[in-house]
Amino acid sequence: AQKVTQAQTEISVVEKEDVTLDCVYETRDTTYYLFWYKQPPSGELVFLIRRNSFDEQNEISGRYSWNFQKSTSSFNFTITASQVVDSAVYFCALSARDTGRRALTFGSGTRLQVQP
Amino acid sequence: AAGVIQSPRHLIKEKRETATLKCYPIPRHDTVYWYQQGPGQDPQFLISFYEKMQSDKGSIPDRFSAQQFSDYHSELNMSSLELGDSALYFCASTPPGFDEQFFGPGTRLTVL
Repeated sequence: AQKVTQAQTEISVVEKEDVTLDCVYETRDTTYYLFWYKQPPSGELVFLIRRNSFDEQNEISGRYSWNFQKSTSSFNFTITASQVVDSAVYFCALSARDTGRRALTFGSGTRLQVQP
Repeated sequence: AAGVIQSPRHLIKEKRETATLKCYPIPRHDTVYWYQQGPGQDPQFLISFYEKMQSDKGSIPDRFSAQQFSDYHSELNMSSLELGDSALYFCASTPPGFDEQFFGPGTRLTVL
C-alpha cells in the first residue's frame, strides 16, 4: 500500500518569503511517480510536476523548485519569493507502477496562505 | 489546448435521489480516472477505465457505478444519495504511455 504524508496542514508567509512544503512517501514499489498539484480557491487541480523514482535530479521551474531524495523518501517543494497568487492548497501524490495501479494516492494537502 | 470537460459543474440533489456525472477526456487520452474529494480532504480514487474497460477500483461505494463509452467519455452513476456523498468529483485523463493525470474542473455535488 502507498502512503503520502504532508505533515504541514497550513503555512502562512508574507509575500516574497521563501517557503518549503514537505512531502514524505511510503511505497514498496521500486518504480513509482511522484507529483505535486496545486488547488487554488476556485477548486481545480493544477498539475505542477512529475518525477519518476529513477530520476533524483532536482528541478527548477521559475520560482518553483523540487528536491527529491530517495534516501529519505521525500519530495519537497520550494516556492521562492512567494506571491499572493501562490495561495492555494498543495497536494503531493504518488502513483506506483510495479502493481500496475496508476491511480494517485494523495497526501492530505498543505494550505499555503501568502499575505501581502 | 483541449482540457478535460466535466458536466454538470454543480449539482444539487435530495437524499435517496440519483445523480449522473459526465466526463469527456482530452482527445486521444486512453485512461480515465474518477476521484472524490470531500470538504477539507484530499481526493480519493474511485475507479478507472482503460480503453473502455474498468482497469482499477478504489473506494467506490456499491451504490456507485461507472462506465466508459465508445467515444471514451465516462459517466459516474450514483444512486441512493446520502448526505456524505456531498463532495467535489474529479475526472482525470492520461495519454497513452504517460502518467500525468490531467484533471477536469470537477463537479460539485451537494446532497440535501
